[in-house]
Amino acid sequence: DAGVIQSPRHEVTEMGQEVTLRCKPISGHNSLFWYRQTMMRGLELLIYFNNNVPIDDSGMPEDRFSAKMPNASFSTLKIQPSEPRDSAVYFCASLPGQGGGYGYTFGSGTRLTVV
Amino acid sequence: AQSVTQPDIHITVSEGASLELRCNYSYGATPYLFWYVQSPGQGLQLLLKYFSGDTLVQGIKGFEAEFKRSQSSFNLRKPSVHWSDAAEYFCAVGRNFNKFYFGSGTKLNVKP
Repeated sequence: DAGVIQSPRHEVTEMGQEVTLRCKPISGHNSLFWYRQTMMRGLELLIYFNNNVPIDDSGMPEDRFSAKMPNASFSTLKIQPSEPRDSAVYFCASLPGQGGGYGYTFGSGTRLTVV
Repeated sequence: AQSVTQPDIHITVSEGASLELRCNYSYGATPYLFWYVQSPGQGLQLLLKYFSGDTLVQGIKGFEAEFKRSQSSFNLRKPSVHWSDAAEYFCAVGRNFNKFYFGSGTKLNVKP
C-alpha cells in the first residue's frame, strides 16, 4: 500500500491566488481528515469526512477555505483567495471504517508558503 | 472539554539514556490513546496505541507506553535512546472515528 498520498509536497503562491491541495487516502479507509500544522497553533483539525460526507467542518478557519471529497479515493482542500497567514503544513490523514482504535495514517504533508 | 497536555516542550537526553515523555489528558470517557512521532519535514507516524486490555503497550522502534487511568496519563518510555530518535513526539486521544485531540508536542534532542 502506498499510504496516504498528498500533492503537491511544496507550494509557493502569491497572496490572492487560489491554492488546491490534494489527497488520496488509503484504499478501504472511509474516514478522511485535513489538519493544519503551524509553530504557533500546533496541529489543528480543519475538517473530516466519513464515507465522503463532511461530518465536522468547525475547524475551517473561514469562508476562504473549502474541502470536497467527490469519491472515496480523492479529496481536495482549496483556499481562495490565499493569504500569508495561511502559510503552514497541511496534512491529510485517513482511518479505516469506524476503527478509531487503529489510529490515523498521515500523508507526508503539503508545505504551503503564501508570499 | 477534551484536552491533551504535554508539559515538556523540549527534552534533551544523552544517547543510551532512558527516556520518558509525559502526556496527560482530559476526556469524558476512557479514550483511545496514541503516540505519534514526526521527523523533520515528514508526516506523523504512529508509534503505538491503546484502546483496551493490558495497560502497558509496546510500539515500534522499542517504545512503550503505560496507561494510568487514575492519573489520566499515557507516558511514553524507551529504555535506551538512539540518535535517530531525535524528533517531535505527539500524544493524541480520541474515540471511534471522531476527531482526535493532539497535544502540542515534545521535541526530543539526543546528545552524542
